[in-house]
Amino acid sequence: LAKTTQPISMDSYEGQEVNITCSHNNIATNDYITWYQQFPSQGPRFIIQGYKTKVTNEVASLFIPADRKSSTLSLPRVSLSDTAVYYCLVGDTGNAGKSTFGDGTTLTVKP
Amino acid sequence: DAGVIQSPRHEVTEMGQEVTLRCKPISGHNSLFWYRQTMMRGLELLIYFNNNVPIDDSGMPEDRFSAKMPNASFSTLKIQPSEPRDSAVYFCASSLFGADTGELFFGEGSRLTVL
Repeated sequence: LAKTTQPISMDSYEGQEVNITCSHNNIATNDYITWYQQFPSQGPRFIIQGYKTKVTNEVASLFIPADRKSSTLSLPRVSLSDTAVYYCLVGDTGNAGKSTFGDGTTLTVKP
Repeated sequence: DAGVIQSPRHEVTEMGQEVTLRCKPISGHNSLFWYRQTMMRGLELLIYFNNNVPIDDSGMPEDRFSAKMPNASFSTLKIQPSEPRDSAVYFCASSLFGADTGELFFGEGSRLTVL
């Protein structure tokens, strides 16, 4: 299984850009990288997914270097409502689609 | 679509009692996952179904846990007998292609407390 490593916590202020990096040194060729967001008392929610280079959607960007051993989730101009736990998930095609959540990064946005 | 629907949202029971958690996946999704979340262990995958067939149950803690998916629109996770260490939030998620390439849609979870 491709193991992921993220910082346990990060602090930021409203209006700043936040970058959360995830390490996945043993990512497999067919694995995708997916990020989820979880608020207290809710299930995780999909943010963005990518395979290589850069992916951007209406809420975030995902940067993946050529070696794919890490990825960075970028949240532009965060607000208080972005305070949540962010999980990096690497797909495990060797186990029929099972993927493993890591410990996640608790982002706290301060006013 | 209403999303993934789980019931009950909260359950408090006594040690030794049987607990049944229910999940209705999003219509058309062919993969269903049961996760357990605790402060100590984070999000753990318990079991994964594809087209109603259990593919991998290696995450199921022990024989007290069982899961079924009798049809494409319903799944249950049963704990019998329950123990205090089973207290957790149990999430059901469904996906169109499987978690490695498809988005996981989670329900709101079932918070279980075993006294």
